Amino acid sequence: EDQVTQSPEALRLQEGESSSLNCSYTVSGLRGLFWYRQDPGKGPEFLFTLYSAGEEKEKERLKATLTKKESFLHITAPKPEDSATYLCAVQHQGGSEKLVFGKGTKLTVNP
Amino acid sequence: GAGVSQTPSNKVTEKGKYVELRCDPISGHTALYWYRQSLGQGPEFLIYFQGTGAADDSGLPNDRFFAVRPEGSVSTLKIQRTERGDSAVYLCASSRLAGVGYEQYFGPGTRLTVT
Repeated sequence: EDQVTQSPEALRLQEGESSSLNCSYTVSGLRGLFWYRQDPGKGPEFLFTLYSAGEEKEKERLKATLTKKESFLHITAPKPEDSATYLCAVQHQGGSEKLVFGKGTKLTVNP
Repeated sequence: GAGVSQTPSNKVTEKGKYVELRCDPISGHTALYWYRQSLGQGPEFLIYFQGTGAADDSGLPNDRFFAVRPEGSVSTLKIQRTERGDSAVYLCASSRLAGVGYEQYFGPGTRLTVT
């Protein structure tokens, strides 16, 4: 059974204090690993898809990386508007399109 | 362009009642997904449509839950004999096609409260 574990559950940073969020996964053949951002009361907003170990993708202050067992979401010099819950999800090979999500990391960036 | 829309945004119902939740996908998207999210949890897959047919309904918790997409666009999630444990945010997502490289885009969700 596919499993996704995110850590830490919650993270508080000062504005400008860089850090990383972790997503560990167990999947029978990874087809894709996805990062989403979710603001309170809203649906998840797509950020990145990673397909193979060694792949990296960047968007503004965010960079996602992937190994065979985990993914990291690096946040460089965060701003208060980066405060949100960050969700990681995996999709396995074999035909199903469903995403299996972790519980998320709630990030708070203080000014 | 317009994103995924869901109606109603909030629904309060009594235990035992029937409810319908509606999802309008992004125009032109052929794949549609339903997820359920409880407080403090990530979304949990329910069902996925490719066109009009349910391609994977393995996440539906029991036979009180049913979903349709009769014309390959709008979808309705139907819950019979609601229970308090059904209270959650029901999220709908769509993608242009199904398969590698097609990301799922989510709507704002319907918050269902069963009293």
